[in-house]
Amino acid sequence: NAGVTQTPKFRVLKTGQSMTLLCAQDMNHEYMYWYRQDPGMGLRLIHYSVGEGTTAKGEVPDGYNVSRLKKQNFLLGLESAAPSQTSVYFCASSPSGSETDTQYFGPGTRLTVL
Amino acid sequence: LAKTTQPISMDSYEGQEVNITCSHNNIATNDYITWYQQFPSQGPRFIIQGYKTKVTNEVASLFIPADRKSSTLSLPRVSLSDTAVYYCLVGLLSGGYNKLIFGAGTRLAVHP
Repeated sequence: NAGVTQTPKFRVLKTGQSMTLLCAQDMNHEYMYWYRQDPGMGLRLIHYSVGEGTTAKGEVPDGYNVSRLKKQNFLLGLESAAPSQTSVYFCASSPSGSETDTQYFGPGTRLTVL
Repeated sequence: LAKTTQPISMDSYEGQEVNITCSHNNIATNDYITWYQQFPSQGPRFIIQGYKTKVTNEVASLFIPADRKSSTLSLPRVSLSDTAVYYCLVGLLSGGYNKLIFGAGTRLAVHP
């Protein structure tokens, strides 16, 4: 089992460019999440999905879009990148949303927007 | 809004026991308390989870008092490899995404 994988590991964008971050999990988990992590601020939830074909907004959704066309994949899109979106992005998954579930995290994608 | 409070940083020395306390005054009846560990350039990983009293696994112990408004992660005999950021998380998605607020965590530095 690879667990949760993220593509790419690093990326540099210019302001206004677009890109898509891919998250894949092979654990057959229902729930998937996208977080961003900025220095000294912990992790903040951007969007999440409770199942294939569903998405929902988290704490900081502005400037991002997501899609969950397949159960194992969760895509995070930046339509017009801004320097404020420079961050490390983590994807996570959990079996469901039950109280005892834990999240499994990917290795992260470091994004720099110039 | 669910919120947890932890110390920003702690220092310790190899071989010592480290206790990190998390306050969660508005914990709900169904909420479990979960601790994660994050090394530099890696995603967080699960350490331990509990609901009340004491839970112990091969890595750590978790102490939860009767009122459940706080919890303490205990790391026995820490080593240099325990240097990391530790996050306390209360609840999961069942109560809405506002439960998935990790906060800044506690940065533990273990010295030789």
